[in-house]
Amino acid sequence: KAGVTQTPRYLIKTRGQQVTLSCSPISGHRSVSWYQQTPGQGLQFLFEYFSETQRNKGNFPGRFSGRQFSNSRSEMNVSTLELGDSALYLCASSLEGGGTQETQYFGPGTRLLVL
Amino acid sequence: GDSVTQMEGPVTLSEEAFLTINCTYTATGYPSLFWYVQYPGEGLQLLLKATKADDKGSNKGFEATYRKETTSFHLEKGSVQVSDSAVYFCALKGTYNFNKFYFGSGTKLNVKP
Repeated sequence: KAGVTQTPRYLIKTRGQQVTLSCSPISGHRSVSWYQQTPGQGLQFLFEYFSETQRNKGNFPGRFSGRQFSNSRSEMNVSTLELGDSALYLCASSLEGGGTQETQYFGPGTRLLVL
Repeated sequence: GDSVTQMEGPVTLSEEAFLTINCTYTATGYPSLFWYVQYPGEGLQLLLKATKADDKGSNKGFEATYRKETTSFHLEKGSVQVSDSAVYFCALKGTYNFNKFYFGSGTKLNVKP
């Protein structure tokens, strides 16, 4: 079974631009979560989608948004990029996400550099 | 709220040394606990998990026991290898907030030959 895939793997943007990152979950998984990882803040939860609906949200400004499609693939968008948005963005998928025993499986991440 | 605290790194050990990385948690209900590992330039990989008190998770020589009385989930390995050099994250999945995971800050392990 293929793992979680993320595209692109690397991205360079300039301040003020916007960016869209894509995540394809493991086949059959319906829950997709997004995290931002930086050296200073560690892993921070952005949001989680299940059945095309945002089910959980972290403490990030409205510039960060996401969506999920009917095939469970997900995209996240960051508008008006700031230097501080430079980070590794990780996507994780799980089956349903509702049970405490379920595991999240992570993709390799998209490394975003904002200049 | 739910949270995870793990020991700060980096931890530097010689090959074949014993490893312990401490992790404690705060949670209501009956959380599941996880250890993930991140190698340079990669995403997080699940290392092991435990879903109820006194459960022991184990994988690749690593093990951790879910201790509800001390709210801990310490990671141990009897004999580390250079290839174990990575960042290790302790994580908690709570009972009441669907699929939200709480991660510790990560502990970098350096193993020297």
